[in-house]
Formats: sequence, C-alpha cells, structure tokens
Amino acid sequence: QVQLVESGGGLVKAGGSLRLSCAASGFTFSDYYMSWIRQAPGKGLEWVSYITASGDPIYYADSVKGRFTISRDNAKNSLYLQMNSLRVEDTAVYYCARDLEGGRTDVWGQGTTVTISS
Amino acid sequence: QSALTQPASVSGSPGQSITVSCTGTSSDVGSYKLVSWYQQHPGNAPKLIIYEVSKRPSGVSNRFSGSKSGNAASLTISGLQAEDEADYYCCSYADTRVFGTGTKVTVL
Repeated sequence: QVQLVESGGGLVKAGGSLRLSCAASGFTFSDYYMSWIRQAPGKGLEWVSYITASGDPIYYADSVKGRFTISRDNAKNSLYLQMNSLRVEDTAVYYCARDLEGGRTDVWGQGTTVTISS
Repeated sequence: QSALTQPASVSGSPGQSITVSCTGTSSDVGSYKLVSWYQQHPGNAPKLIIYEVSKRPSGVSNRFSGSKSGNAASLTISGLQAEDEADYYCCSYADTRVFGTGTKVTVL
C-alpha cells in the first residue's frame, strides 16, 4: 500500500542541524510533487516546503527560507529535509506528504518529532 | 504568507449542520480555486476531505461540502456525527501554500 515513513528527528540544541528523511513505497515516487509540513506542539499545521517531481522548482515558507533545504532522490524513492541554524520555534512534528495537482496533499506520513533546546 | 483565519472552535449537536469559515486575501483564497480542507483527529496525521474548493476525494462522506466566495472559503458538515469531532484546517495553494489557523469542531 501507499506509505511514507519519516526518520531523522531528535533533540538538538539551537543553532544545530538535522536531516530528515522520508522513505516512500507503494507508488511511483518520481511522478509526484512532495512536501514537508510541520505542526508545533498544540498548534496548527504549517507548510514548510515542496519540491516538484523533477526536483525543480522548489518553494519554501518564509520562516525557513535560507535555513532549510528540501531534496529528493527518485532512484531511492526518498525525500529529504536538511535543517540548519535550527531555532527553538522549529520544534514540531514534521510530516512528509505526497501532493497531487492543485496543491492537495493526499498521503501523509506518521511524522517525526524535532525538538530544539535553547 | 500569513495564516488564513479560521474560528478557534465551532460546536453543534448530532444531526445538525455546522459551517467553518476560512478567510484569506485576494492573493491566496481569492485568487484561485485551489482551496482544500483537512480533518485531523488527535494523535493522527491530517486527512484530505475537500479539494479545489468543493470536490470530495473518493471515500469521503458527502456530509462534507465546501464553497468559496471572494476571499473566504467555507466547510459545511451536515448531519453532524460524533466521529466528526476533530480539528479542521483549510489550505490555499498558489506557488506556495498556506494553512488556516485551525478550528476545533465539538459535537455536543
């Protein structure tokens, strides 16, 4: 079945870095746009970034632009999020998600938790 | 990229209809017919329930419907059921994407 599995979350000090990964299975990964979406504890959803099927173009939320980098490896059916210069406010559950045309997200992973300490 | 505005909470009795509003600007909600809605139960990932303003994915109950007028979109849940108690988020898509602030729907 269609599945997205995130990994790489953890506890990091402010200013540090983390790399999240998302393993996709059950569908032709290279055909789809993919997104990262996060949710801070007790808060709402916040779109972080998305990448087109070919890897270009790429879009970021203003809150992460210049600090986060999204990438994909279609040969490995994997999506990544390199997060640098992390801030306390980046603490959240990070979801990997599959996008369909029109910007709708039809498949979500279970999420990976990122905690940034001060 | 300011979050779209939703009421913090909406409640209704079983069998009633409720509407959740989502207000944006002419740059997001008002520009395109690309508004979607997600339902999220506690501890779970969100689930797509409406896309392109008013379309329902396969398998989603027809008790859920969406509409848009100007810079505001709406989600209506008719025949409210206990299982509809959840958080609901609107989302507008252009080159970037912006979510709403979220609405907690309570079934009394």
